[in-house]
Amino acid sequence: AQSVTQLDSQVPVFEEAPVELRCNYSSSVSVYLFWYVQYPNQGLQLLLKYLSGSTLVKGINGFEAEFNKSQTSFHLRKPSVHISDTAEYFCAVRSLSYNTDKLIFGTGTRLQVFP
Amino acid sequence: NAGVTQTPKFRVLKTGQSMTLLCAQDMNHEYMYWYRQDPGMGLRLIHYSVGEGTTAKGEVPDGYNVSRLKKQNFLLGLESAAPSQTSVYFCASRLSGVNNEQFFGPGTRLTVL
Repeated sequence: AQSVTQLDSQVPVFEEAPVELRCNYSSSVSVYLFWYVQYPNQGLQLLLKYLSGSTLVKGINGFEAEFNKSQTSFHLRKPSVHISDTAEYFCAVRSLSYNTDKLIFGTGTRLQVFP
Repeated sequence: NAGVTQTPKFRVLKTGQSMTLLCAQDMNHEYMYWYRQDPGMGLRLIHYSVGEGTTAKGEVPDGYNVSRLKKQNFLLGLESAAPSQTSVYFCASRLSGVNNEQFFGPGTRLTVL
């Protein structure tokens, strides 16, 4: 079975500081990995995805993530955050081999950016 | 394109009442999903559909039913609402092909008293 662990439920950070949101997954087969962002009172929006190829994936709003197969991680980073980045961030995984179409989400990390 | 829309945005029910949540997408997506979001639990899949006329159970299907009579619509029904079904419900859709991402609606906030 697949699972996703987001190690931090909340991450407070000052504006213009760097940030890393951690995500680890568990799967016995190859996976696709996603990061979604949810702004207050809105639906989820795709930030970036890893399908194959380069392990460093760049997304919208200056975010990037690195796929590390040996550590089964897909951490999200941004070198300098803005107040507008305050939101909840979800990591998700989809297995490539199971006869299913399920996207498994982590429990989310709330990023709070302070001025 | 409106993308994925959900109706209603908010609803308050009494225990035992029934209701239907409507999800509509105008992107000609084959796959559609219903999730619920609860604090500290992320999103959990209730039911999904891989095409018109087909539905399948997700992680937490009990107490819910779904129908996909038209490709663009995916209905989520609560026959007898319970307080445990108080949640925010999200619909999503995507094109077929495992590398296509899901697009989400704005959500429906449901309170069951």
